[in-house]
Amino acid sequence: NAGVTQTPKFRILKIGQSMTLQCTQDMNHNYMYWYRQDPGMGLKLIYYSVGAGITDKGEVPNGYNVSRSTTEDFPLRLELAAPSQTSVYFCASSQQGANTEAFFGQGTRLTVV
Amino acid sequence: RKEVEQDPGPFNVPEGATVAFNCTYSNSASQSFFWYRQDCRKEPKLLMSVYSSGNEDGRFTAQLNRASQYISLLIRDSKLSDSATYLCVVNKNPGTYKYIFGTGTRLKVLA
Repeated sequence: NAGVTQTPKFRILKIGQSMTLQCTQDMNHNYMYWYRQDPGMGLKLIYYSVGAGITDKGEVPNGYNVSRSTTEDFPLRLELAAPSQTSVYFCASSQQGANTEAFFGQGTRLTVV
Repeated sequence: RKEVEQDPGPFNVPEGATVAFNCTYSNSASQSFFWYRQDCRKEPKLLMSVYSSGNEDGRFTAQLNRASQYISLLIRDSKLSDSATYLCVVNKNPGTYKYIFGTGTRLKVLA
């Protein structure tokens, strides 16, 4: 099993550009999440999804959009990139249930210049 | 007050030492608690869940104190390989999956 796969691993964007961060999981997990981690900080939840067709905002959703058309895929869209969006982005998935483990992808390091 | 607070450290300890970290949370209705480990520039990985009765996994012991709203992680006989950042994670709203991460406590085990 590949687990949670994120692409790209690194990206440099110019201010105002857009891009999509890809995330796919092969564990048949219903729940998927997008987090961002700024240097020296904890992870902050951007968006999450409890199943195909269902998404909801986390703590820091502004400037991002998501979609969940399939169980496997949960892409994160950045519109009009800003320097404040420079961060490491982690996608994660988990089974249904309150005490279940979240599995993370290896992260996407994004720099906006 | 932050929803989940941790001492950022670093905690520098010699090999073989016992070290403990605490994490406080603000929402008394929180139901799920975890410790994750994050190595430098890597993704977080689950170390252990924290159960009401406390739980142990080898050299690691996790405790939950609901009255004082904190969880703890105890590492015995520290190894060089334990050097990492330990993230406290709390599900603040029962029935949702909005996991809140602390900023992490950095541990360095010295030879």
